[in-house]
Amino acid sequence: DTGVSQNPRHKITKRGQNVTFRCDPISEHNRLYWYRQTLGQGPEFLTYFQNEAQLEKSRLLSDRFSAERPKGSFSTLEIQRTEQGDSAMYLCASSSDGTGGYNEQFFGPGTRLTVL
Amino acid sequence: AQKVTQAQTEISVVEKEDVTLDCVYETRDTTYYLFWYKQPPSGELVFLIRRNSFDEQNEISGRYSWNFQKSTSSFNFTITASQVVDSAVYFCALSLFGGYQKVTFGIGTKLQVIP
Repeated sequence: DTGVSQNPRHKITKRGQNVTFRCDPISEHNRLYWYRQTLGQGPEFLTYFQNEAQLEKSRLLSDRFSAERPKGSFSTLEIQRTEQGDSAMYLCASSSDGTGGYNEQFFGPGTRLTVL
Repeated sequence: AQKVTQAQTEISVVEKEDVTLDCVYETRDTTYYLFWYKQPPSGELVFLIRRNSFDEQNEISGRYSWNFQKSTSSFNFTITASQVVDSAVYFCALSLFGGYQKVTFGIGTKLQVIP
């Protein structure tokens, strides 16, 4: 399977605990995006990486959230001191960086986080 | 800032009926892309179509058709002869040309097709 993969698919945690999610993009893609989707809403942009550089962060990404892409391949999203409001589906997408035109974002299956 | 509005939060139709999902967008940019995605109960986003702002031609793909009208900033999606497998949440979305092409999604329309 050469699509975007995310692990784990589901995570249940208690409030106050830290959680980390992983995203493996399509291998030749150098752009990587994280989105958050709460119940009954559309996905909302969180952050964007060009290779290992984090170039854009949404205001939704509070200081409890940190994302990394250390070698420009896989990415991790960590949430510290989780709150019930963090319960959501966290989606990762990747795209190429071709010149001109649209570089389609391919979405992973998501990680569903439930904070009790 | 960009905004995508899907006024219909839930629609129920009986199988074989036609159904149109509405989408209205806002952007000050003159060049942009519009999308429709399908999200079945399993959760993954399935890409359906992309149109760019230069191309207002309607498109038909099997039972699916899309009507893009810049004059009304609308990009509506019609499913002809709906089937139970069409039951899902459908998202309309917009992305600007250039840059890193962040996608702005609407709230989604949940379609239930009743057998």
